[in-house]
Amino acid sequence: EAGVVQSPRYKIIEKKQPVAFWCNPISGHNTLYWYLQNLGQGPELLIRYENEEAVDDSQLPKDRFSAERLKGVDSTLKIQPAELGDSAVYLCASSLRASTEAFFGQGTRLTVV
Amino acid sequence: DAKTTQPNSMESNEEEPVHLPCNHSTISGTDYIHWYRQLPSQGPEYVIHGLTSNVNNRMASLAIAEDRKSSTLILHRATLRDAAVYYCILLPYGGSQGNLIFGKGTKLSVKP
Repeated sequence: EAGVVQSPRYKIIEKKQPVAFWCNPISGHNTLYWYLQNLGQGPELLIRYENEEAVDDSQLPKDRFSAERLKGVDSTLKIQPAELGDSAVYLCASSLRASTEAFFGQGTRLTVV
Repeated sequence: DAKTTQPNSMESNEEEPVHLPCNHSTISGTDYIHWYRQLPSQGPEYVIHGLTSNVNNRMASLAIAEDRKSSTLILHRATLRDAAVYYCILLPYGGSQGNLIFGKGTKLSVKP
């Protein structure tokens, strides 16, 4: 069975441009997480979904970041407009439900120039 | 979310056991202790979790103190592939509570 799939793997954009990341979680997993990871730091939670509901988006910078999880399956994370400081790896993870083993994708490495 | 404290880094020799400590003095009665690791250029991967009793799986063992205020992840024979950052995380049991919150973790280096 395929794990968590993220695309693209790498993205380079100019500042002020929009960018979107896509995540396909493991089939049947109700919980989906988006994280941001800067070099040398642990992953920082941006948002957690339970099915299609965002149950915790308190760390999501809502002025420029948005996320959606239509039909409680795939999810998209968008940044508009991107800033230089947004350069990081964006990780998606899924689990059967919160508090169970989470599986992570390979991440999308974003470079804003 | 309850906090955990881990050493920034540790070193080990290949084929020797490694004990990675984690302090969680504010743990609540319903918190599970989870361990994840992150190999270079990869997403984190689950290692093990437990509540009160010691736990073993094919990857590692988890020893939990009787008062649950600390735990130790044990790699029985470290290999070069075990070089990674190890994260100790507390998660409440069941339901839709709690977030998987990562700290800085412990960077484990394994010498040949």
